[in-house]
Amino acid sequence: ETGVTQTPRHLVMGMTNKKSLKCEQHLGHNAMYWYKQSAKKPLELMFVYSLEERVENNSVPSRFSPECPNSSHLFLHLHTLQPEDSALYLCASSQDRTSYEQYFGPGTRLTVT
Amino acid sequence: ELKVEQNPLFLSMQEGKNYTIYCNYSTTSDRLYWYRQDPGKSLESLFVLLSNGAVKQEGRLMASLDTKARLSTLHITAAVHDLSATYFCAVDRDYSGNQFYFGTGTSLTVIP
Repeated sequence: ETGVTQTPRHLVMGMTNKKSLKCEQHLGHNAMYWYKQSAKKPLELMFVYSLEERVENNSVPSRFSPECPNSSHLFLHLHTLQPEDSALYLCASSQDRTSYEQYFGPGTRLTVT
Repeated sequence: ELKVEQNPLFLSMQEGKNYTIYCNYSTTSDRLYWYRQDPGKSLESLFVLLSNGAVKQEGRLMASLDTKARLSTLHITAAVHDLSATYFCAVDRDYSGNQFYFGTGTSLTVIP
């Protein structure tokens, strides 16, 4: 498998549930990103990891918890979400933090009920 | 806060026609990106513009950057149905690669 993959592709969860989104990149990149894409709003950068170290956290609520165990994998742990957190969550990777080419995964469509 | 504005937000055009999508941003930046997103799919990188006056063309799409005006354009020539998608521009604020600011997107529909 090549490129950036994300699982699951669709997720419906209640506000009291705990779930995790998974991203895997097969490109040998050193930087990975989580973005949130809501309807009628610009894509929002949530987290940036470089060499498994978090380098950016754009004022994201603590109910979103990222984890990067190695340079190929990125997780987004979700707990006690709100309905307004329903969105498409996109993962991306790039060669390194300064590289201008970001490769996006297909996204996870999250619905919070 | 850096703002990136695209217009129009929605565009319906006939096949064979030409049109331009505009992307304005509110702060100094020399790096601007254009992406395409098909329904239910991820973002695909189209162009990376790295300096004032940069122009890039791929098929029926041509992108340009005017950093003094803080404006980028995506010009569509002789549109075909396959170009129907949502197009996003994004600006890199500090060249560290981790501060991408995206526009709201332009949803393009090409009508036969």
